[in-house]
Amino acid sequence: DVKVTQSSRYLVKRTGEKVFLECVQDMDHENMFWYRQDPGLGLRLIYFSYDVKMKEKGDIPEGYSVSREKKERFSLILESASTNQTSMYLCASNIPSGGGETQYFGPGTRLLVL
Amino acid sequence: SQQGEEDPQALSIQEGENATMNCSYKTSINNLQWYRQNSGRGLVHLILIRSNEREKHSGRLRVTLDTSKKSSSLLITASRAADTASYFCATDEGAAGNKLTFGGGTRVLVKP
Repeated sequence: DVKVTQSSRYLVKRTGEKVFLECVQDMDHENMFWYRQDPGLGLRLIYFSYDVKMKEKGDIPEGYSVSREKKERFSLILESASTNQTSMYLCASNIPSGGGETQYFGPGTRLLVL
Repeated sequence: SQQGEEDPQALSIQEGENATMNCSYKTSINNLQWYRQNSGRGLVHLILIRSNEREKHSGRLRVTLDTSKKSSSLLITASRAADTASYFCATDEGAAGNKLTFGGGTRVLVKP
């Protein structure tokens, strides 16, 4: 079974802090994704990566950056956390396929920025 | 704006009843997927239907796809309390990285 793990289930940070959220997958997947989930808005894509050191902006990249130094690990960085970044953050991975592939999700990190 | 929009936003049914939820989207797609999310957890893939398919079954799940109307439906038959969750449709438009675009979800409550 594919396993996607996230470094924390719950996180409380203060405004202005630098925040690192880490995601690790154990199935040698090329693609990795970071989403945020807010009530009524569904999942919105922040960034994704299709290879080591490669990254692409998603729909809402402002205020975030990412790092993918190793294939199995994809980090989301909040350079200076703000209260409007309080949210549930979900990481996912899949393999590239012309016919489409399902995404495998981690359990999520619920971040509260005070 | 979101590609996938689910309807209804919330649904409350008795155990044993069927639950139906719908998803509409705007652009052409390669496939459409349904995911389930239990409270406070990550999403779990349920079923994928490709653009050239019209209906697909998996256990108690039945998915239909109407590309002319740009809509899909998910039917859960003989619902159980354990089916209580949020359900999301997601569309694969063939973009780089196999990105998915998710809708806002349908919250389903199955009462025992």
